[in-house]
Amino acid sequence: DGGITQSPKYLFRKEGQNVTLSCEQNLNHDAMYWYRQDPGQGLRLIYYSQIVNDFQKGDIAEGYSVSREKKESFPLTVTSAQKNPTAFYLCASSIGSGNYGYTFGSGTRLTVV
Amino acid sequence: AQSVTQLDSHVSVSEGTPVLLRCNYSSSYSPSLFWYVQHPNKGLQLLLKYTSAATLVKGINGFEAEFKKSETSFHLTKPSAHMSDAAEYFCVVKYSGAGSYQLTFGKGTKLSVIP
Repeated sequence: DGGITQSPKYLFRKEGQNVTLSCEQNLNHDAMYWYRQDPGQGLRLIYYSQIVNDFQKGDIAEGYSVSREKKESFPLTVTSAQKNPTAFYLCASSIGSGNYGYTFGSGTRLTVV
Repeated sequence: AQSVTQLDSHVSVSEGTPVLLRCNYSSSYSPSLFWYVQHPNKGLQLLLKYTSAATLVKGINGFEAEFKKSETSFHLTKPSAHMSDAAEYFCVVKYSGAGSYQLTFGKGTKLSVIP
């Protein structure tokens, strides 16, 4: 079955470390997205990518970086510059610009220890 | 600015009674509207979508939503709640426009179902 795979499901990071969250899709979708979810705040867009080797900042890109070297993969790095990284991170993908909806992964919960 | 307002942060219903989750959006030409459901520590699952076809949209698990342009609303309903419906629900809008790739999310409504 086609879908989006996020790994790991749970991730613990020490302060000052960079960590990378994986997102892989086999839906042949062109666009991919990273969202951050905090309780009571809905979802906020971090980065998105319309095509390979291209990506744009979302509303809260500071302290994060991404790459899109392959259509199937869109990893997110949470850098030490992100002051409050503890959150639930969701990856999504869409056909074109998403007029018919996005498909979401099952998420990665990142905790700073 | 584009916005989506979910009017209730928490709704509680008894099993077998109707569900109504309310959503209003800021007006725009030809928005696409979605409802997603999220169970704890899971990703979001698409329940239904409105993309300028029929105004009454049927989704999975018995949910429906009606697009009312005059009221800028897209409320989610279900005739009879089931225990498995307990989850958080998000109303989402995608506004049209060249290169528009961003969704606007409501803050979510947590649905509790009482046995």
